Amino acid sequence: EAQVTQNPRYLITVTGKKLTVTCSQNMNHEYMSWYRQDPGLGLRQIYYSMNVEVTDKGDVPEGYKVSRKEKRNFPLILESPSPNQTSLYFCASSPLTGTSGKKETQYFGPGTRLLVL
Amino acid sequence: GDSVTQMEGPVTLSEEAFLTINCTYTATGYPSLFWYVQYPGEGLQLLLKATKADDKGSNKGFEATYRKETTSFHLEKGSVQVSDSAVYFCALSTTSGTYKYIFGTGTRLKVLA
Repeated sequence: EAQVTQNPRYLITVTGKKLTVTCSQNMNHEYMSWYRQDPGLGLRQIYYSMNVEVTDKGDVPEGYKVSRKEKRNFPLILESPSPNQTSLYFCASSPLTGTSGKKETQYFGPGTRLLVL
Repeated sequence: GDSVTQMEGPVTLSEEAFLTINCTYTATGYPSLFWYVQYPGEGLQLLLKATKADDKGSNKGFEATYRKETTSFHLEKGSVQVSDSAVYFCALSTTSGTYKYIFGTGTRLKVLA
């Protein structure tokens, strides 16, 4: 089954304790992305990756890191979490088409709910 | 910069009522436009999309037309069902040298039996 998986689904942590949220897709998609969803703000893009070893900042990258060492995996790293990073996080992937790398429909994971105390 | 503005909710309708959720955008170039739906406790899934001006996307009775002259992509459905209750997000993918997706704030729809 084609899917995007995230782990963990729920996480409670304390300020400053490093954590990683994993994301994996089995559709051989080039493009992967992380979002956070907050009430009244919709989804905001944190980081994205066009392919292996190619990452770039979205609109809210502060406090986050990512890596893309393999095509299928795109982990989100919070080196020193703070309470303002309490949110619902989504990973997504999509294929790129054509010579210009046009982006297509994104496929979303089920979400990771993070609480930072 | 690029942006998406959609009507605030919640929107509450009776079953079989007509639905419109407004979405307007600001973007350079020719972005692709999307509507995603999020059911309670789930991730987002694509509802429909349009990739160029005057394209109409449609799925499950929902429709939206890419209007470049009014920079709009309003979502419509002629007769909503209780099962349509969800949060709807309008989004665009940028084409102006970056490779971002921009989402609206979402509109919660509640359909009453």
